[in-house]
Amino acid sequence: DAGITQSPRHKVTETGTPVTLRCHQTENHRYMYWYRQDPGHGLRLIHYSYGVKDTDKGEVSDGYSVSRSKTEDFLLTLESATSSQTSVYFCAISVTHNTGELFFGEGSRLTVL
Amino acid sequence: GQQVMQIPQYQHVQEGEDFTTYCNSSTTLSNIQWYKQRPGGHPVFLIQLVKSGEVKKQKRLTFQFGEAKKNSSLHITATQTTDVGTYFCAGISYSGAGSYQLTFGKGTKLSVIP
Repeated sequence: DAGITQSPRHKVTETGTPVTLRCHQTENHRYMYWYRQDPGHGLRLIHYSYGVKDTDKGEVSDGYSVSRSKTEDFLLTLESATSSQTSVYFCAISVTHNTGELFFGEGSRLTVL
Repeated sequence: GQQVMQIPQYQHVQEGEDFTTYCNSSTTLSNIQWYKQRPGGHPVFLIQLVKSGEVKKQKRLTFQFGEAKKNSSLHITATQTTDVGTYFCAGISYSGAGSYQLTFGKGTKLSVIP
């Protein structure tokens, strides 16, 4: 498996609290992605990064922000969590943007009460 | 925007039976990828198809890309319990200015009855 670590793997939080999920890679891949996976919706892109401090929105970016201060780390922040953000979040990395193989992390399960 | 439809949503088969999942795009694709996600796991890349009419095999798995590059299929021959999981297609289309868009289908969840 590719060297991708997500933390925390599981988190339960309350509505209105901030949450940060971390994705760490050891592959030195340029592109990093955050997806959420929900029953009936498959995998939906939240945000992605194409380099240090370079990020862009995906199809479901509302309520989320990201930061990438180092090549290896990509953070996803929910400034004020809502119950609709209860989901499984996957980080992914790739060598090329949207044309090459995606390597996924093991996922972070977030429950917002 | 690009839409990728995948059917069926669920499939239950007896062990040893064949299984097929289909992926259809609203636009012509450049490439298509297939991923497998085991229960409780993360998606894992299986293959990428690039050419019109392309057929690729991986042991009991056969992947096809349609002639018009708008549809694809994954066929598993003689399913085994190890095939259990959700299979996703991901359609890749050119969106202009040297950029590509990747869109996942919603997946087909395969259950295999021993």
